Amino acid sequence: DADVTQTPRNRITKTGKRIMLECSQTKGHDRMYWYRQDPGLGLRLIYYSFDVKDINKGEISDGYSVSRQAQAKFSLSLESAIPNQTALYFCATSDFTQGYEQFFGPGTRLTVL
Amino acid sequence: DQQVKQNSPSLSVQEGRISILNCDYTNSMFDYFLWYKKYPAEGPTFLISISSIKDKNEDGRFTVFLNKSAKHLSLHIVPSQPGDSAVYFCAARRYNNNDMRFGAGTRLTVKP
Repeated sequence: DADVTQTPRNRITKTGKRIMLECSQTKGHDRMYWYRQDPGLGLRLIYYSFDVKDINKGEISDGYSVSRQAQAKFSLSLESAIPNQTALYFCATSDFTQGYEQFFGPGTRLTVL
Repeated sequence: DQQVKQNSPSLSVQEGRISILNCDYTNSMFDYFLWYKKYPAEGPTFLISISSIKDKNEDGRFTVFLNKSAKHLSLHIVPSQPGDSAVYFCAARRYNNNDMRFGAGTRLTVKP
């Protein structure tokens, strides 16, 4: 079983719709992250969380919000999706005892029409 | 403002030869560097890392070299194998800062 899972794996939606992407992990890590990948730009950090009560903005947080419902769950919301949010989204986890290595989920491909 | 740059979008090498993937960075505050490998339909997986106090780190067929004065690092894969065909991302971060910056990636193809 995968240690970091993301649902859905693929989603097509329309402009203005609210979308939630979910991430769950069984690694027991305290830190969780959301990234988006765009062609030619690599991965960019959207939000990260060190524990249930901790939420921090990343490089590109505008238009997104997150919720850390439990240590194992971290969800990303697009309140009103727009076409330039079409991208591949990755959730990742890490544990401070393992240095800076992050463990990534398989990704969610989101298309906003 | 891309602080980590991988200027070669793709690289093709013959099986058994050396693959050299390059990465440049602009922020002199970066002190830890990582390489990730990504296969299609999967998330990136950690490959190798190096701290700024070192100039070389080796793990089997993979070696990362860091040149701080040039703000440049490279990943060497010797010998290259077809299973190494993937997209490789360079990443960098500052000490005690969780905002890790990634390059755009280089697609490596190793031909049998």
